[in-house]
Amino acid sequence: GIQVEQSPPDLILQEGANSTLRCNFSDSVNNLQWFHQNPWGQLINLFYIPSGTKQNGRLSATTVATERYSLLYISSSQTTDSGVYFCAVQYAGKSTFGDGTTLTVKP
Amino acid sequence: KAGVTQTPRYLIKTRGQQVTLSCSPISGHRSVSWYQQTPGQGLQFLFEYFSETQRNKGNFPGRFSGRQFSNSRSEMNVSTLELGDSALYLCASLQREGGNEQFFGPGTRLTVL
Repeated sequence: GIQVEQSPPDLILQEGANSTLRCNFSDSVNNLQWFHQNPWGQLINLFYIPSGTKQNGRLSATTVATERYSLLYISSSQTTDSGVYFCAVQYAGKSTFGDGTTLTVKP
Repeated sequence: KAGVTQTPRYLIKTRGQQVTLSCSPISGHRSVSWYQQTPGQGLQFLFEYFSETQRNKGNFPGRFSGRQFSNSRSEMNVSTLELGDSALYLCASLQREGGNEQFFGPGTRLTVL
């Protein structure tokens, strides 16, 4: 099956800093999504981005499908950005999640 | 539009029992996928249902099963519970079969004692 690797596994930032999270996948995929998991376990949709670039406020994402990676950018980070960020890829009806990046933003 | 709902939110069972979890997708969405999240294994795909048929299945034993009803609501069942089945079970709602944007419910946290 498809392998999904996220890096870094852990990231600690000061409030106001910028960060880049990476997601590498081992094969062609139909879809790619980025999620933020809140402390109660719910996965919050950030981006649905099988290819190209999207922006939503302080967050943006880029997927280069031909090179099998996606990047999530967080600018001017806030303490509320803390949590686990997952990328998930879909192929042939199955979804595979990476192990996540745990982001801690300190005040 | 109402989001994905899952019931119950929390559940405590003992080894050997069985459990049934429910998921109601977003109105108009016809596909439901189930996932298990544990600290050791991360988020793993269980199965996907579309139009009352299981379309895809992950690598889980036969104790894990599911079904989908004509109104797209889905249930998953775990029989003969083991301690290792303790997990957060998440369901996702998709508009069509095979994949597009997934929307997740709040999850059911199952504890097996």
